[in-house]
Amino acid sequence: EVQLVESGGGLVKPGGSLSLSCVVSGLSFSDAWMSWVRQAPGRGLEWVGRIVGGGGPTDYAADVKGRFTISRDDSKNTVYLQMNSLKIEDSGVYYCSHITMFRGVVTSLDFWGQGTQVTVSS
Amino acid sequence: IVMTQSPLSLSVTPGEPASISCRSSQSLLHSNAYNYLDWYLQKPGQSPQLLIYLGSYRASGVPDRFSGSGSGTDFTLQISRVEAEDVGVYYCMQTLQSLYTFGQGTKLEI
Repeated sequence: EVQLVESGGGLVKPGGSLSLSCVVSGLSFSDAWMSWVRQAPGRGLEWVGRIVGGGGPTDYAADVKGRFTISRDDSKNTVYLQMNSLKIEDSGVYYCSHITMFRGVVTSLDFWGQGTQVTVSS
Repeated sequence: IVMTQSPLSLSVTPGEPASISCRSSQSLLHSNAYNYLDWYLQKPGQSPQLLIYLGSYRASGVPDRFSGSGSGTDFTLQISRVEAEDVGVYYCMQTLQSLYTFGQGTKLEI
């Protein structure tokens, strides 16, 4: 059974930093492409960024580029989201998800974690 | 790429069909002939779940009453006979570009 378990959420002041973790089990992690998605209170889903498998590159949504960093530790089956210079509008539930492949095509988000709450407030 | 869904809310009687539209600002049809468009359902209080990938392929475990169609910039998610468990918010998402984008979501109520 594939499981993704996020942790690290909490309350932080504007301008502060927070690091989220996502531990993955039940699949071959070192080659896995992983993504972060967030959801502000009462709002829709917003894609945050992704990291390619095998130590590949990262991509970020415009709103977080330069402030957020996605990294991974394949020895711990863990993907991270380092969030700096946090803004009130960064508040929400942050989901970790696995990017699947179909016939060699990098495609959708097939497995999701339960999410971790981030609140940015003074 | 901007994704636009319609309607934003939908009220359906159980057993009746439902249809949600998703339009992209650019074509999602790749040269490999796949449309890079997914559909997700977020049930109340739950994480999102994948329903349809690459425009028309049903994800594992998804009931066959769900189907995806369309190509290029216009896509549709159809539910042949809505059941009570289908309530929630449906999202389309494009994965053609490395910066993925979601639609605004369509809330389905019974």
